[in-house]
Formats: sequence, structure tokens, C-alpha cells
Amino acid sequence: NAGVTQTPKFQVLKTGQSMTLQCAQDMNHNSMYWYRQDPGMGLRLIYYSASEGTTDKGEVPNGYNVSRLNKREFSLRLESAAPSQTSVYFCASSGGPLNQPQHFGDGTRLSIL
Amino acid sequence: AQSVTQLGSHVSVSEGALVLLRCNYSSSVPPYLFWYVQYPNQGLQLLLKYTSAATLVKGINGFEAEFKKSETSFHLTKPSAHMSDAAEYFCAVSTTGTASKLTFGTGTRLQVTL
Repeated sequence: NAGVTQTPKFQVLKTGQSMTLQCAQDMNHNSMYWYRQDPGMGLRLIYYSASEGTTDKGEVPNGYNVSRLNKREFSLRLESAAPSQTSVYFCASSGGPLNQPQHFGDGTRLSIL
Repeated sequence: AQSVTQLGSHVSVSEGALVLLRCNYSSSVPPYLFWYVQYPNQGLQLLLKYTSAATLVKGINGFEAEFKKSETSFHLTKPSAHMSDAAEYFCAVSTTGTASKLTFGTGTRLQVTL
């Protein structure tokens, strides 16, 4: 029972390089999310997709783009990586209604030099 | 706008002692509240959720939380700490809308000592 799968688990980039973080869920959830986690700041929402075909900005969208490829997959792209984007990135999914909890992947640890 | 405040970024308790992790929320509408736990190098796991059915919510691993509207609080407790409870704990509030967007607190790291 995989749940939410994120690839890669670790990545080191140089400033200015681009990269796509992949996320897939096998729970038939409608909604998917991308967060970043930084020390002392909790998790902050980057982008989310309420349903297949829709995406919306979260709290910290600058420097990122997303694609909801299909119901299962939701990718996050850094077009020109900056050191400030060094973080741990988490993908999550949920069934949608307010009282449904989000299920999280194990994260991608991204370092930008 | 919704917000969550977790008092104490680090809490240390002895094994067998009471665990109390504090969470206060701000919401203009009745909130949905969650506690998540994060073990090192892992994602977040749901401990428990409040969805207005009952003010005292029981979760996994012996944790529970009580919703107090008058105090705008949702504190997490466990009667007796185990070494395995050492982790980071996040309180979160769900916003309105079609997607269950969560606003997280900054987290409390729980240390359990012998």
C-alpha cells in the first residue's frame, strides 16, 4: 500500500539549474498539495490542486510551477533554482472534503548550492 | 484568515510523565483541527482530528486532544510518555473551500528522557 510516493528523495542542484519533483498517489484522492518545510517555520503551502485539471497558488508560490498531470500525479518544477529554495518538500493528497485528513509522502530533500 | 500557534518549540519530559503540547487557533468559522506527528526523515502522520463530532478526540498511540472553543485551544496530551514518542508534532487548521488546505503551526519537538 504505497500511499503518496515522492521522487527523488534527495537532490543537490547548482543555482540556476531546473528540476521537477514528482509525486504520485494511489488512493484515488481528488486533491493534492505541495509544501515546503523549513526549520522553525512549519510547513508552508506552495501550490495545490483541488481536482484534476485545476491548480492554485498557496502561501509561497514564487519561483515554482506545478502540473496536475492526471488524477494520480502532481509535479512541482523549479525553473531556475535559488539557494533560498533549499528545503524539504512534501507532497500530500486528500479526499477533498474539509474533514478529510491529508496523507503525506516521505519528502524530497533539496539542496541548492 | 486561519492561523495556528504552538507554544513551545521544544518540550522535554521524562519517560512515564504526562505529555502536554499546546495549540491555539484563530478562525472566523468553525474549524477543523488536526495533530500530525513527524519522525526523523519521514513525512507527517495523522495523530487525530477534530471535526465537531466530539470535543474530546482520541487518536493513535494513546494521544488525545480536547477542543475548547472558549479558549480557542486544541492541546494534545498523553498520560504517560514513551521513548518512542520523541518526534516533532504539528497542529493544523483546515480552511474553507473545495480543497482541505491546511495551515500549520511551527511545530513542537518532543524529547523524552530516561
